[in-house]
Amino acid sequence: LAKTTQPISMDSYEGQEVNITCSHNNIATNDYITWYQQFPSQGPRFIIQGYKTKVTNEVASLFIPADRKSSTLSLPRVSLSDTAVYYCLVGGMGTGGYNKLIFGAGTRLAVHP
Amino acid sequence: ETGVTQSPTHLIKTRGQQVTLRCSSQSGHNTVSWYQQALGQGPQFIFQYYREEENGRGNFPPRFSGLQFPNYSSELNVNALELDDSALYLCASSLAGQSHHEQYFGPGTRLTVT
Repeated sequence: LAKTTQPISMDSYEGQEVNITCSHNNIATNDYITWYQQFPSQGPRFIIQGYKTKVTNEVASLFIPADRKSSTLSLPRVSLSDTAVYYCLVGGMGTGGYNKLIFGAGTRLAVHP
Repeated sequence: ETGVTQSPTHLIKTRGQQVTLRCSSQSGHNTVSWYQQALGQGPQFIFQYYREEENGRGNFPPRFSGLQFPNYSSELNVNALELDDSALYLCASSLAGQSHHEQYFGPGTRLTVT
């Protein structure tokens, strides 16, 4: 699975838009890009997944340029409850049910009042 | 729809002992994966079970073993506990054939080895 690089930490304030960029230079043709969110002492929670261009759901947007070597998770108008660790993962469709996730260290987002 | 549940929530064991952690998968899911998360780090894949058989394994020694039952629930067993085994153990369920990363995590079991 492709290795990912993302900032160790970020700070923001309530109401601001937060963009977290992830680099994945060795992404393969059939790899998807997925972001998870994790609060302290809880399991990670799926946020969004995409393959190319832009994906948007009720929580976030994911921007993927044409070369797919990076991606940006955008959180609109963050609140204090968005303080968490955000993980970027890259991988392909599993076969035979084997679909492990490889997590990096993630980005610790701190939202301030 | 019932989410992923794990038991116990917390556990304290002594070095050298054995421990069994349990996981009930989300309704309709047939695949269970286990992860170890040390403090301040991302989760590390231990292994995955599909159709009651180990279907993939990360870089963990044989003293980490597991089971999956016909109802898709699962156990993680760790023998000869070491201090470094202290971590949050996460279980994630998914449906084979679905998107690679759509796994649903439980709240975890916090294991402390003294």
